[in-house]
This record gives sequence, structure tokens and C-alpha cells, in this order.
Amino acid sequence: SAVISQKPSRDICQRGTSLTIQCQVDSQVTMMFWYRQQPGQSLTLIATANQGSEATYESGFVIDKFPISRPNLTFSTLTVSNMSPEDSSIYLCSVEWPNTDTQYFGPGTRLTVL
Amino acid sequence: GDSVTQMEGPVTLSEEAFLTINCTYTATGYPSLFWYVQYPGEGLQLLLKATKADDKGSNKGFEATYRKETTSFHLEKGSVQVSDSAVYFCALSSLYGQNFVFGPGTRLSVLP
Repeated sequence: SAVISQKPSRDICQRGTSLTIQCQVDSQVTMMFWYRQQPGQSLTLIATANQGSEATYESGFVIDKFPISRPNLTFSTLTVSNMSPEDSSIYLCSVEWPNTDTQYFGPGTRLTVL
Repeated sequence: GDSVTQMEGPVTLSEEAFLTINCTYTATGYPSLFWYVQYPGEGLQLLLKATKADDKGSNKGFEATYRKETTSFHLEKGSVQVSDSAVYFCALSSLYGQNFVFGPGTRLSVLP
């Protein structure tokens, strides 16, 4: 399995600002994913980030609000732009381990927007 | 589309009690099935998985059997501990390339 780290682990931000979340994996992986977990809820997929191509966004999520970078096979960032209190959530990155259909998750970034 | 249903809880048990968390799924093809656990303030950890019918996944005293005939993957543990208090998510991964589908999660509280 992979060791996945995220930065920051938590942050408190003001309305209208942006936050970039980093996800680092200790192995090269093709597929990385970004999820949102609203308080007390399950996980919702935001987008799939593959190295060398544009991220693929799920219905209800747009690139202007959640721009994603995937510069190499071990790193990705998610930016939450022009934040509002409704963006307060845990944001998790995950990776699909090669030759399996298993996803492994990072520890998450707990975001509070005031 | 594919979906996962699980008992939403919360489930409250005394230490050493028997645990069952029900999970049923709807999917095309033959999905892989997973249980993830989320301890307070942490991310998701893979607890166990099963990739084909009649497979049993097990880890840390937890077990779940892939039942194709009932489209179920119920999580069981014979004797829970206080440290098992967490939210448990059932999930599937379709063989047709669809991304993971998660159930709503079941919060378990184990009292000493």
C-alpha cells in the first residue's frame, strides 16, 4: 500500500480567499482522486487527476472553483477558490494502487471557512 | 447506476458485544467490495476487501463475506472494543471503470 500525506492537516480561512491543499505519495501512481466529506456525511468525488492530462470533474464540481494540478506521478494539489462557509469540509486525496482496484486515502485536510 | 446501502446508525454497543453492520449493493457486473474505517479526526483506512463471490475479507478481528446471491457484504466482529469506535463505510469498485461508490457510513460507539 501507499503512504499518503496531506498539507495542511487543517486550516481556518476567511470567506473569499483560496486555499491550496497538497497531496504527496511515496510511490508513483497513475490515478489520484480528490474527495469532499461534508460534516457528518459520506465521501463525494470531486475529480480524478491523472498525470499529464486535465483533471476530470464530477457533476456539480467545476475547474474554476476547484482547480487541480498533477505535475508528476507522486504529487497533486487541489485549490478551493473563493471560499464560502459552505466549503467547510474535510478534503481527502486518494490513490488507486497499481494493478488493483483498491484506493488508499490520505489523512485529510479539515477546512473551516468563516 | 451503482449504489451502496448500509445501516446508518448510530450503533451503540457495550464492550465485548457482537457487531453486525449491514451493507447491500447494486452494481452492474462483478464489483470489488470494501470496508473502510474512519477514526475520529482521521482519514479513511482500508479495513478489508473482497474481490469475488464467496471471498471473505478479514482484518483486526473484523470479517465480511461477499454474497452475490443477496448482493451483500455485512461487516461482523465477535467482540468489539472501545477502540473500535469509529465510522465504517462500505464501498464498491465497479469492474467497468467507475470510480468508487461509498455508502453513507455507520457510526459505531462502544461503551466500556
